[in-house]
Amino acid sequence: GQQVQQSPASLVLQEGENAELQCNFSSTATQLQWFYQRPGGSLVSLLYNPSGTKHTGRLTSTTVTKERRSSLHISSSQITDSGTYFCAMERFDNNAGAKLTFGGGTRLTVRP
Amino acid sequence: NAGVIQTPRHKVTGKGQEATLWCEPISGHSAVFWYRQTIVQGLEFLTYFRNQAPIDDSGMPKERFSAQMPNQSHSTLKIQSTQPQDSAVYLCASSSSDWGGQNTLYFGAGTRLSVL
Repeated sequence: GQQVQQSPASLVLQEGENAELQCNFSSTATQLQWFYQRPGGSLVSLLYNPSGTKHTGRLTSTTVTKERRSSLHISSSQITDSGTYFCAMERFDNNAGAKLTFGGGTRLTVRP
Repeated sequence: NAGVIQTPRHKVTGKGQEATLWCEPISGHSAVFWYRQTIVQGLEFLTYFRNQAPIDDSGMPKERFSAQMPNQSHSTLKIQSTQPQDSAVYLCASSSSDWGGQNTLYFGAGTRLSVL
């Protein structure tokens, strides 16, 4: 079945450092999204990036579809960036429609 | 826009009881998804509707779980004879299209179900 692997599982940074999160998926993904979840909070979509490089604020995502990998770079991390980051792939099947398969997440802790 | 609304936020049931979870998608969104989140299994897809019609329920435990969308403004997830392993956060999400494209998936805050 479809699998999404994220690394590292957890990451601790000092405020101001950069973070690099990795996502590898087992089958060709037609779509790729990154989500953020604050502890006890809801999932929020950060970036939709099926291929290439996309930027929003301090976030940069690079997806190489042929190599089945995506990365999320967070520059100048802030304490409020702490939480769990999920990578999710989406396949569109004409019979089943679209649904997301999530990775296990990377728990980021940013310390002052 | 209040976002995706899920009620209740927390539900505690005894083993063997029934639990009904409610979701109000964002007005105008045609696709509604249910996911389950646990520490051990992570985020798992359960089922989804497109224009109120059930499209894919491949993630649903067949015997005790059922989902409905009687109108475009709400969906329910019903769990019969709840078991401790059903304890999880159940997340509802909606999108203006079931084809992701540039259409963001919006998640509700979830219902935390605890089965004692």
